[in-house]
Amino acid sequence: DIQMTQSPSSLSASVEDRVTITCRASQSITSDLNWYQQKPGKAPNLLIYEASSLQSGVPSRFSGSGSGTDFTLTISSLQPEDFATYYCQQSHRIPFTFGPGTTVGIK
Amino acid sequence: QVQLQESGPGLVKPSETLSLTCTVSGGSISNYYWSWIRQPPGKGLEWIGYIHYSGSTNYNPSLMSRVTISVDTSKSQFSLKLSSVTAADTAMYYCARGQSAYYSPFDYWGQGTLVTVSS
Repeated sequence: DIQMTQSPSSLSASVEDRVTITCRASQSITSDLNWYQQKPGKAPNLLIYEASSLQSGVPSRFSGSGSGTDFTLTISSLQPEDFATYYCQQSHRIPFTFGPGTTVGIK
Repeated sequence: QVQLQESGPGLVKPSETLSLTCTVSGGSISNYYWSWIRQPPGKGLEWIGYIHYSGSTNYNPSLMSRVTISVDTSKSQFSLKLSSVTAADTAMYYCARGQSAYYSPFDYWGQGTLVTVSS
């Protein structure tokens, strides 16, 4: 299986801060990397697919980059509704696997 | 707007079979891949497997010996069966849609249903 890691596991930030979350794959997954946001008690919501493509309806303050094994999710100006847990997921090889998540909390 | 809704028992006894159904509304079940994903309380996400509307399947090897996913296109439903459950199978179970390729991201999700394994 392809192992996914994320850093940090949690962070505290203020509204309007720029936030960066890193995801690393145990082997190259080219650009087959997706990002999801999950709020407590809710299902995950797709933010970014194929490493850098913004899902329809997702605010443009979210962006993704990277290829191969190293990827980044950036929130350019954190908003109150962005406090949540973020997961990366590889779709390069079955079984699809998720990172352990990064929780973004209020400073 | 595509909507997915999971249904099934919230409590299953150890060694028995967990059975869940996902009903798709607001869109066609055809031409897509449909997955089950679970999340133990307070933990991360685990992909269980997918089924294509044509009936082809692929499962997570860690669960393959116990999992069956089936589809009923006439009812716009797909189902999960997980046999010989233990407490480790206690989780929120989500159904989700991939698009026309098996490696597509999950763009629509159900709200999830909590299944507890306990006697």
